[in-house]
Amino acid sequence: DAGVIQSPRHEVTEMGQEVTLRCKPISGHDYLFWYRQTMMRGLELLIYFNNNVPIDDSGMPEDRFSAKMPNASFSTLKIQPSEPRDSAVYFCASRSGHEQFFGPGTRLTVL
Amino acid sequence: AQSVTQLGSHVSVSEGALVLLRCNYSSSVPPYLFWYVQYPNQGLQLLLKYTTGATLVKGINGFEAEFKKSETSFHLTKPSAHMSDAAEYFCAVSDASGNNRKLIWGLGTSLAVNP
Repeated sequence: DAGVIQSPRHEVTEMGQEVTLRCKPISGHDYLFWYRQTMMRGLELLIYFNNNVPIDDSGMPEDRFSAKMPNASFSTLKIQPSEPRDSAVYFCASRSGHEQFFGPGTRLTVL
Repeated sequence: AQSVTQLGSHVSVSEGALVLLRCNYSSSVPPYLFWYVQYPNQGLQLLLKYTTGATLVKGINGFEAEFKKSETSFHLTKPSAHMSDAAEYFCAVSDASGNNRKLIWGLGTSLAVNP
């Protein structure tokens, strides 16, 4: 298996633009997690899904953030409009048993 | 509620020296405990985990950790540090009852290995 796949790996955009981050989990994993990592706040859980259904989105910072999982093999995290304080590395992870498998991350820079 | 505290945001050791990274947790239910490692510009990967059974858990790259319930600790150790061990290390706890699938994360400890 190729592992968790995220795209793009790097994204540079201007304030106010819409940003869409993509994730393909490992086949057969029934949980998917979106995290944000910054120097100031560390690793934050934004939202997670079970069998494509959002279970807990309490970590989503505000209404500008939304996430979807239309099927078992694809999820998106959208920021609209983006702001400079959204600059971070965004990780997607999928879960098998007790272990979460992380993707390589998307480094987002909002100018 | 569960929480994780990693003592020391930065640890520096000499190559060949003992590595000790500290993790304390709080949990009102039996915990599952994890250590993850993050190399520069990469995602996190599992080093080792404790779920049930033997309290001394061995992981990849020569690391091990011991679950001590009385001390609510899960410290990570390696007898002899290697330059390639330089990375960020995260301790995490989850609910063993299975009702909560989230991991609660520590803030991480950055390990530097000096030649």
